[in-house]
Amino acid sequence: DGGITQSPKYLFRKEGQNVTLSCEQNLNHDAMYWYRQDPGQGLRLIYYSQIVNDFQKGDIAEGYSVSREKKESFPLTVTSAQKNPTAFYLCATATGSIGETQYFGPGTRLLVL
Amino acid sequence: GENVEQHPSTLSVQEGDSAVIKCTYSDSASNYFPWYKQELGKRPQLIIDIRSNVGEKKDQRIAVTLNKTAKHFSLHITETQPEDSAVYFCAASFYNQGGKLIFGQGTELSVKP
Repeated sequence: DGGITQSPKYLFRKEGQNVTLSCEQNLNHDAMYWYRQDPGQGLRLIYYSQIVNDFQKGDIAEGYSVSREKKESFPLTVTSAQKNPTAFYLCATATGSIGETQYFGPGTRLLVL
Repeated sequence: GENVEQHPSTLSVQEGDSAVIKCTYSDSASNYFPWYKQELGKRPQLIIDIRSNVGEKKDQRIAVTLNKTAKHFSLHITETQPEDSAVYFCAASFYNQGGKLIFGQGTELSVKP
């Protein structure tokens, strides 16, 4: 877990604004994931990437975008099209083999002003 | 569709008692079942996992059992302590979708001293 960093810890978004959440890892893991967690609820998958320059939509991709230009980095942009962005956002990594453990970063809490 | 159901949503036990949390999954091809513990405001932490080729795994006070025929798995915590209080999530990997994890809704465990 110490090899995954997310920034910022807290992020405030104004109406109509796009914001980008950072996720960096030094674990040399191929797979990276973004989850959204709402209060009192489970984790829902937004996007995932199993290899550089490739990513797939998860269950709730609308209003979000990602890129995977480097193995170490998987930034998530919350666009203005996401009307209810307030949540706890968690990045996770895994070795990439099927059925391998996912490790989570410390999370970013996004709030709307 | 893909689904993991987790019960109960809340569980309160006395210190020293046992706690059991149950999950069912929909995809018979699932082959990896991790359990995560999440303390308030923190990241989920893996506490134990099990693969489809075994029926039970134990680590000190924590055990997980898997019934592939019935498509359910359970977390057992014995001799509970106040520091076990947290939200616990089960998950199942979906083989045909790159091994992505689908999470249960979580169980809030409260251990009363």
